[in-house]
Amino acid sequence: GEDVEQSLFLSVREGDSSVINCTYTDSSSTYLYWYKQEPGAGLQLLTYIFSNMDMKQDQRLTVLLNKKDKHLSLRIADTQTGDSAIYFCAETRHFNKFYFGSGTKLNVKP
Amino acid sequence: GAVVSQHPSRVICKSGTSVKIECRSLDFQATTMFWYRQFPKKSLMLMATSNEGSKATYEQGVEKDKFLINHASLTLSTLTVTSAHPEDSSFYICSARDFSGSEEDTQYFGPGTRLTVL
Repeated sequence: GEDVEQSLFLSVREGDSSVINCTYTDSSSTYLYWYKQEPGAGLQLLTYIFSNMDMKQDQRLTVLLNKKDKHLSLRIADTQTGDSAIYFCAETRHFNKFYFGSGTKLNVKP
Repeated sequence: GAVVSQHPSRVICKSGTSVKIECRSLDFQATTMFWYRQFPKKSLMLMATSNEGSKATYEQGVEKDKFLINHASLTLSTLTVTSAHPEDSSFYICSARDFSGSEEDTQYFGPGTRLTVL
């Protein structure tokens, strides 16, 4: 399958910004997603970006896509303790299979 | 957003028994549903694609006779783990595609089912 990679851990202080990074290898990806998973729960769609965009903002979330470098990032402004979770990036190519990264565990310290 | 439910949320069974997990799309019709398996501290691994009214498509390395998938209606897909063994213990998550005509192809995920095989 396609490779989607993320760093495993990120720790920030409450109120700071968090930036979670993701790289992928498939240049023909059409959509890229960010999902949030809280302990023992399923995946919650946070936001997505179409491959012909380079930025998308949705309230505290900003997604940046560098298609040339195949790099995707999720910035969470004013990070709160409730943002502590695992964040997965995912890409899809043929509107069929989703390929997920390994997840980044975000720890927000009060 | 669309809602996908799974039942049960947790199940503990003895080795050798079979366990059925249900995945339902509650407010939309899903011609395609997906079954994933998530190992501790790992990513989701796609097991199979479930298509309503036809046979499921399994990913390489997934035993179709062990993980039986039935997609009998547009709102329900079931995954049956047959003759379960301790190594089948995992978190199973389903997702469903909503073909409502929106611009993005989005999968909505269920809350997951924690299977423990003793």
